[in-house]
Amino acid sequence: DVVMTQSPLSLPVTLGQPASISCRSSQSLVYSDGNTYLNWFQQRPGQSPRRLIYKVSNRDSGVPDRFSGSGSGTDFTLKISRVEAEDVGVYYCMQGTHWAWTFGQGTKVEIK
Amino acid sequence: EVQLVESGGGLVQPGGSLRLSCAASGFTVSSNYMSWVRQAPGKGLEWVSVIYSGDTTYYADSVKGRFTISRDNSKNTLFLQMNSLRAEDTAVYYCASGTLDWGQGTLVTVSS
Repeated sequence: DVVMTQSPLSLPVTLGQPASISCRSSQSLVYSDGNTYLNWFQQRPGQSPRRLIYKVSNRDSGVPDRFSGSGSGTDFTLKISRVEAEDVGVYYCMQGTHWAWTFGQGTKVEIK
Repeated sequence: EVQLVESGGGLVQPGGSLRLSCAASGFTVSSNYMSWVRQAPGKGLEWVSVIYSGDTTYYADSVKGRFTISRDNSKNTLFLQMNSLRAEDTAVYYCASGTLDWGQGTLVTVSS
């Protein structure tokens, strides 16, 4: 299986400051159709996962534009330009290129 | 509005069986790929199984041969038949449509 490695696993952030989460895959996530199926999810405490970003950099409807995704091949990043209180939770990257689809370990974002 | 409602979770003894259901509304389950994803208590996310619109199915190695994913298009419902349950199958089980829409989850506890 493709191993997804996130860092850091814990991210204390000051309100209004930026945050960045790295996600690396053990093999390239470029699919045979040319797309890269790398998604980012947010899971707030007690809630189901919510997709924020699909195919590396496409923001889902309703997702604030302070969230952005970037990267290629095996290295990907989720950035929050200015952290707000509602951003507290665990963030997961997930690859959908190779079965079995796999998630990163999760990065817990908390407010300092 | 897309809605996914899981049911069927509960307490079961090791070696027992359970059948989870996911009732969908706002779309047809036959029109998209549908998945089950689980989350053990305090842990990360694990993709369990997926069924495509052409009925192709995939399973995580950890459940292959024990779990079966299926759907009933007439009831617009997704199922997960779980047999030979083990303690390590204890988790909240989410159904998802594609990777965008998720249910609220149903808890499965395998314990004697």
